[in-house]
Amino acid sequence: GAGVSQSPSNKVTEKGKDVELRCDPISGHTALYWYRQRLGQGLEFLIYFQGNSAPDKSGLPSDRFSAERTGESVSTLTIQRTQQEDSAVYLCASSTLQVGHEKLFFGSGTQLSVL
Amino acid sequence: GNSVTQMEGPVTLSEEAFLTINCTYTATGYPSLFWYVQYPGEGLQLLLKATKADDKGSNKGFEATYRKETTSFHLEKGSVQVSDSAVYFCALPNQAGTALIFGKGTTLSVSS
Repeated sequence: GAGVSQSPSNKVTEKGKDVELRCDPISGHTALYWYRQRLGQGLEFLIYFQGNSAPDKSGLPSDRFSAERTGESVSTLTIQRTQQEDSAVYLCASSTLQVGHEKLFFGSGTQLSVL
Repeated sequence: GNSVTQMEGPVTLSEEAFLTINCTYTATGYPSLFWYVQYPGEGLQLLLKATKADDKGSNKGFEATYRKETTSFHLEKGSVQVSDSAVYFCALPNQAGTALIFGKGTTLSVSS
């Protein structure tokens, strides 16, 4: 597709379960970002991938959160042992190496609800 | 570290009214500044940006001027339309320059 694709669009899970969220960036975009948006809050940076470089994981809130990316393609954000405070919209964005954060292209997000 | 603060919403206006959404920032140096917009049911998208002090970013009738004296980047539009109803986010790079820091977003509702 032409844009950033995220799946699922909605996910309801029980406290303590693990979840996986998927992001398909725009083809050719080497940079990929994950953000979290809790209700009434701004976007919170989680992790940044740039090509084959080591990712910037400085925004991950705890060791229950991890993300992987194979090359310059799909990324998966995994949350282990989910807690109610993990409920949020998880947004993925991508961009080119040249532009970087100057212009991010966002997906529509995954709404995660932890019961 | 770098941070951004934008006015709380929601903002409710009638069509053709003047819009201002305030944004102030704290930063090391003079980074680029951005406004992103999220229309209902869509992902965030870049609305406009300014790369240095006194620059004015503009797009779709919206403008914002990079003011280093007041550390502000307020978003303005002279005459809003119903189609401008959306959530607006002010943003700047983090200190590492690896990602953007976003404000909490301001919801704009325009009625005809």
